[in-house]
Amino acid sequence: QKEVEQNSGPLSVPEGAIASLNCTYSDRGSQSFFWYRQYSGKSPELIMSIYSNGDKEDGRFTAQLNKASQYVSLLIRDSQPSDSATYLCAVSFGNEKLTFGTGTRLTIIP
Amino acid sequence: GAVVSQHPSRVICKSGTSVKIECRSLDFQATTMFWYRQFPKQSLMLMATSNEGSKATYEQGVEKDKFLINHASLTLSTLTVTSAHPEDSSFYICSGINRRGGTDTQYFGPGTRLTVL
Repeated sequence: QKEVEQNSGPLSVPEGAIASLNCTYSDRGSQSFFWYRQYSGKSPELIMSIYSNGDKEDGRFTAQLNKASQYVSLLIRDSQPSDSATYLCAVSFGNEKLTFGTGTRLTIIP
Repeated sequence: GAVVSQHPSRVICKSGTSVKIECRSLDFQATTMFWYRQFPKQSLMLMATSNEGSKATYEQGVEKDKFLINHASLTLSTLTVTSAHPEDSSFYICSGINRRGGTDTQYFGPGTRLTVL
């Protein structure tokens, strides 16, 4: 069974620090990886997508992919209180469907 | 990015009635849309894959006769919850696939909160 694992948290990070979120997946054939942010009561919002090994940076966000170790991570620099949310890792196992992790709840402490 | 809308955003209905939820891709054509359900403090659960012009594909355990899906155009998919019961109360979210630059990315609608009394 194809699975995506995340630490459910909660993860508490001081404002201005780096928040590090991790995700592992079970299928080596996975091709596409996504990080979504979900505020309470709202739908998921795409933060980052990554398809090849290495780092991808977009503003304060950096996604890191290591296919050999089957993990993908998201770093948030200069964390702000508005970054407090649940972060969902999603993986496409070769088709259009996404398999989601259970999400990591992140709290930025002012 | 890409924009997906849903209507209504919130609906309250009596047990036994049917509720229709619309999902529209506003600035792209979505040959494939997905319907998810999310219960409190849980992750998204995929219910079905909606393909334009063909029958939807339902995930295991999802009753196709209870959750009717129609995808009649490249920008509109509808989910009808038939004979709704209190256990159907949930947050229903649709998504559309935007195919651009050789990559497929799912963009989510804002969700519909259904409460069945």
